[in-house]
Amino acid sequence: GDSVTQMEGPVTLSEEAFLTINCTYTATGYPSLFWYVQYPGEGLQLLLKATKADDKGSNKGFEATYRKETTSFHLEKGSVQVSDSAVYFCALSSPTSGTYKYIFGTGTRLKVLA
Amino acid sequence: NAGVTQTPKFRILKIGQSMTLQCAQDMNHNYMYWYRQDPGMGLKLIYYSVGAGITDKGEVPNGYNVSRSTTEDFPLRLELAAPSQTSVYFCASSYNREDYGYTFGSGTRLTVV
Repeated sequence: GDSVTQMEGPVTLSEEAFLTINCTYTATGYPSLFWYVQYPGEGLQLLLKATKADDKGSNKGFEATYRKETTSFHLEKGSVQVSDSAVYFCALSSPTSGTYKYIFGTGTRLKVLA
Repeated sequence: NAGVTQTPKFRILKIGQSMTLQCAQDMNHNYMYWYRQDPGMGLKLIYYSVGAGITDKGEVPNGYNVSRSTTEDFPLRLELAAPSQTSVYFCASSYNREDYGYTFGSGTRLTVV
Protein backbone atom coordinates (compact mmCIF):
# COMPACT_ATOMS: atom_id res chain seq x y z
CA GLY A 1 0.00 0.00 0.00
CA ASP A 2 0.88 3.65 -0.12
CA SER A 3 3.30 4.93 2.51
CA VAL A 4 5.42 7.90 3.54
CA THR A 5 8.75 7.63 5.34
CA GLN A 6 10.36 10.61 7.07
CA MET A 7 13.72 10.96 8.75
CA GLU A 8 13.50 10.53 12.46
CA GLY A 9 14.00 13.48 14.71
CA PRO A 10 14.51 15.46 16.64
CA VAL A 11 16.62 17.69 14.44
CA THR A 12 18.46 20.41 16.35
CA LEU A 13 20.03 23.30 14.46
CA SER A 14 21.50 26.68 15.24
CA GLU A 15 19.78 29.76 13.89
CA GLU A 16 20.71 30.51 10.23
CA ALA A 17 21.74 26.89 9.58
CA PHE A 18 20.64 24.98 6.48
CA LEU A 19 17.76 22.57 6.96
CA THR A 20 16.97 19.33 5.15
CA ILE A 21 14.23 16.95 6.27
CA ASN A 22 14.08 13.82 4.15
CA CYS A 23 10.84 12.31 2.91
CA THR A 24 10.37 9.35 0.59
CA TYR A 25 7.16 7.75 -0.53
CA THR A 26 5.66 4.63 -2.04
CA ALA A 27 2.51 5.01 -4.10
CA THR A 28 0.70 3.58 -7.07
CA GLY A 29 -0.02 6.11 -9.75
CA TYR A 30 0.93 9.77 -9.43
CA PRO A 31 0.22 11.21 -6.01
CA SER A 32 0.23 14.82 -4.90
CA LEU A 33 2.79 15.56 -2.18
CA PHE A 34 2.54 17.91 0.78
CA TRP A 35 4.44 19.26 3.75
CA TYR A 36 2.50 20.29 6.83
CA VAL A 37 3.81 22.11 9.90
CA GLN A 38 2.51 21.80 13.46
CA TYR A 39 3.48 24.47 15.97
CA PRO A 40 3.22 23.61 19.68
CA GLY A 41 -0.36 23.26 20.84
CA GLU A 42 -1.82 23.83 17.39
CA GLY A 43 -3.25 21.83 14.50
CA LEU A 44 -1.38 21.07 11.31
CA GLN A 45 -1.06 23.79 8.69
CA LEU A 46 -0.36 23.23 5.02
CA LEU A 47 3.16 24.53 4.32
CA LEU A 48 3.64 23.67 0.64
CA LYS A 49 2.65 21.17 -2.00
CA ALA A 50 3.57 19.76 -5.41
CA THR A 51 1.19 17.94 -7.68
CA LYS A 52 3.38 16.47 -10.42
CA ALA A 53 6.91 15.32 -11.06
CA ASP A 54 9.60 18.03 -11.04
CA ASP A 55 7.22 20.57 -9.49
CA LYS A 56 8.75 22.68 -6.73
CA GLY A 57 6.55 23.79 -3.86
CA SER A 58 7.67 26.80 -1.82
CA ASN A 59 6.42 28.92 1.05
CA LYS A 60 7.97 31.02 3.83
CA GLY A 61 11.50 30.22 2.59
CA PHE A 62 10.86 26.46 2.59
CA GLU A 63 11.14 24.47 -0.63
CA ALA A 64 10.58 20.88 -1.75
CA THR A 65 10.88 19.30 -5.21
CA TYR A 66 8.78 16.34 -6.35
CA ARG A 67 11.35 13.77 -7.56
CA LYS A 68 9.61 10.84 -9.21
CA GLU A 69 12.83 9.03 -10.09
CA THR A 70 13.88 8.86 -6.43
CA THR A 71 10.31 8.95 -5.00
CA SER A 72 11.35 11.78 -2.72
CA PHE A 73 10.05 15.15 -1.53
CA HIS A 74 12.74 16.52 0.79
CA LEU A 75 12.04 19.75 2.67
CA GLU A 76 14.77 22.42 2.64
CA LYS A 77 15.32 25.89 4.00
CA GLY A 78 18.46 27.92 3.54
CA SER A 79 18.49 29.72 6.89
CA VAL A 80 16.28 28.57 9.74
CA GLN A 81 14.94 30.80 12.50
CA VAL A 82 13.94 30.04 16.08
CA SER A 83 10.32 30.55 14.98
CA ASP A 84 10.65 27.55 12.63
CA SER A 85 10.78 25.21 15.62
CA ALA A 86 7.86 22.83 15.06
CA VAL A 87 6.97 19.34 13.89
CA TYR A 88 6.97 18.81 10.12
CA PHE A 89 4.84 16.16 8.42
CA CYS A 90 5.25 14.85 4.90
CA ALA A 91 2.06 13.54 3.27
CA LEU A 92 0.76 12.20 0.00
CA SER A 93 -2.64 12.08 -1.58
CA SER A 94 -3.63 9.62 -4.26
CA PRO A 95 -6.97 8.48 -5.62
CA THR A 96 -8.25 5.22 -4.18
CA SER A 97 -11.58 3.73 -5.11
CA GLY A 98 -13.05 7.04 -6.18
CA THR A 99 -11.93 9.02 -3.15
CA TYR A 100 -8.66 10.71 -2.23
CA LYS A 101 -6.66 8.98 0.45
CA TYR A 102 -4.15 11.00 2.39
CA ILE A 103 -1.17 9.29 4.02
CA PHE A 104 0.93 11.13 6.61
CA GLY A 105 4.46 10.42 7.75
CA THR A 106 5.24 10.19 11.45
CA GLY A 107 6.58 13.72 11.67
CA THR A 108 10.03 15.22 12.30
CA ARG A 109 10.55 17.58 15.22
CA LEU A 110 12.79 20.57 14.49
CA LYS A 111 14.34 22.63 17.26
CA VAL A 112 16.23 25.78 16.34
CA LEU A 113 18.54 27.31 18.93
CA ALA A 114 19.32 31.02 19.11
CA ASN B 1 -12.17 33.63 10.23
CA ALA B 2 -13.16 30.76 7.95
CA GLY B 3 -11.84 27.39 8.94
CA VAL B 4 -12.42 24.29 11.03
CA THR B 5 -13.66 24.78 14.59
CA GLN B 6 -13.28 22.06 17.21
CA THR B 7 -14.77 22.00 20.68
CA PRO B 8 -13.88 21.42 23.43
CA LYS B 9 -10.13 22.12 23.46
CA PHE B 10 -9.50 19.99 26.54
CA ARG B 11 -11.48 17.31 28.33
CA ILE B 12 -10.90 14.75 31.07
CA LEU B 13 -13.17 11.70 31.06
CA LYS B 14 -13.52 8.86 33.47
CA ILE B 15 -13.36 5.30 32.18
CA GLY B 16 -16.75 4.26 30.81
CA GLN B 17 -18.05 7.78 30.25
CA SER B 18 -19.16 9.01 26.85
CA MET B 19 -18.71 12.29 25.04
CA THR B 20 -19.02 13.96 21.66
CA LEU B 21 -16.23 15.96 20.06
CA GLN B 22 -17.66 18.69 17.88
CA CYS B 23 -16.27 19.76 14.51
CA ALA B 24 -17.66 22.40 12.17
CA GLN B 25 -16.33 23.94 8.97
CA ASP B 26 -17.61 26.91 7.01
CA MET B 27 -15.74 26.41 3.74
CA ASN B 28 -18.36 24.18 2.09
CA HIS B 29 -15.85 21.33 1.91
CA ASN B 30 -17.20 17.96 0.83
CA TYR B 31 -14.69 15.87 2.73
CA MET B 32 -14.21 15.76 6.47
CA TYR B 33 -11.91 13.61 8.59
CA TRP B 34 -11.15 12.68 12.17
CA TYR B 35 -7.61 11.82 13.17
CA ARG B 36 -5.97 10.98 16.44
CA GLN B 37 -2.39 11.87 17.28
CA ASP B 38 -0.66 9.97 20.05
CA PRO B 39 2.48 11.41 21.69
CA GLY B 40 5.45 11.29 19.34
CA MET B 41 3.42 9.57 16.68
CA GLY B 42 1.88 10.52 13.38
CA LEU B 43 -1.77 10.82 12.54
CA LYS B 44 -4.13 7.88 12.41
CA LEU B 45 -7.42 8.18 10.53
CA ILE B 46 -10.46 7.27 12.61
CA TYR B 47 -13.39 8.05 10.31
CA TYR B 48 -14.02 10.16 7.25
CA SER B 49 -16.98 11.48 5.29
CA VAL B 50 -17.28 12.35 1.61
CA GLY B 51 -20.50 14.31 2.04
CA ALA B 52 -23.65 14.69 4.11
CA GLY B 53 -25.10 11.31 5.00
CA ILE B 54 -22.00 9.35 3.99
CA THR B 55 -19.34 8.13 6.41
CA ASP B 56 -16.70 5.43 6.33
CA LYS B 57 -14.14 3.83 8.63
CA GLY B 58 -10.47 4.71 8.66
CA GLU B 59 -7.57 2.80 10.21
CA VAL B 60 -8.66 2.90 13.88
CA PRO B 61 -12.50 3.18 14.12
CA ASN B 62 -13.09 0.89 17.10
CA GLY B 63 -14.64 2.69 20.07
CA TYR B 64 -15.84 5.64 17.99
CA ASN B 65 -18.87 6.64 15.96
CA VAL B 66 -19.59 9.54 13.62
CA SER B 67 -22.49 11.13 11.80
CA ARG B 68 -22.72 13.71 9.02
CA SER B 69 -26.19 15.17 8.85
CA THR B 70 -25.02 18.47 7.29
CA THR B 71 -22.11 19.56 5.13
CA GLU B 72 -20.80 21.75 7.95
CA ASP B 73 -20.77 19.41 10.96
CA PHE B 74 -18.97 16.14 11.64
CA PRO B 75 -19.17 15.13 15.32
CA LEU B 76 -17.15 12.24 16.75
CA ARG B 77 -18.75 10.17 19.48
CA LEU B 78 -16.80 8.20 22.07
CA GLU B 79 -18.81 5.52 23.82
CA LEU B 80 -17.45 3.83 26.97
CA ALA B 81 -14.19 5.76 27.09
CA ALA B 82 -11.01 3.75 27.71
CA PRO B 83 -7.47 4.90 28.69
CA SER B 84 -6.28 3.84 25.21
CA GLN B 85 -8.37 6.70 23.81
CA THR B 86 -6.23 9.29 25.57
CA SER B 87 -4.94 11.31 22.64
CA VAL B 88 -5.20 14.56 20.73
CA TYR B 89 -8.02 14.53 18.20
CA PHE B 90 -7.93 16.58 15.02
CA CYS B 91 -10.73 17.27 12.62
CA ALA B 92 -9.88 18.27 9.06
CA SER B 93 -11.73 19.14 5.88
CA SER B 94 -10.97 19.33 2.17
CA TYR B 95 -12.42 19.60 -1.27
CA ASN B 96 -12.61 16.41 -3.31
CA ARG B 97 -9.38 17.16 -5.09
CA GLU B 98 -6.15 15.34 -4.53
CA ASP B 99 -4.08 18.48 -4.93
CA TYR B 100 -6.01 20.62 -2.47
CA GLY B 101 -4.69 19.65 0.93
CA TYR B 102 -6.40 19.69 4.30
CA THR B 103 -7.54 22.44 6.63
CA PHE B 104 -7.15 21.28 10.23
CA GLY B 105 -8.84 22.33 13.41
CA SER B 106 -6.77 23.21 16.47
CA GLY B 107 -7.46 19.89 18.17
CA THR B 108 -9.10 18.44 21.27
CA ARG B 109 -6.82 17.05 23.96
CA LEU B 110 -8.63 14.17 25.67
CA THR B 111 -7.47 12.35 28.78
CA VAL B 112 -9.26 9.23 30.02
CA VAL B 113 -8.56 8.36 33.66
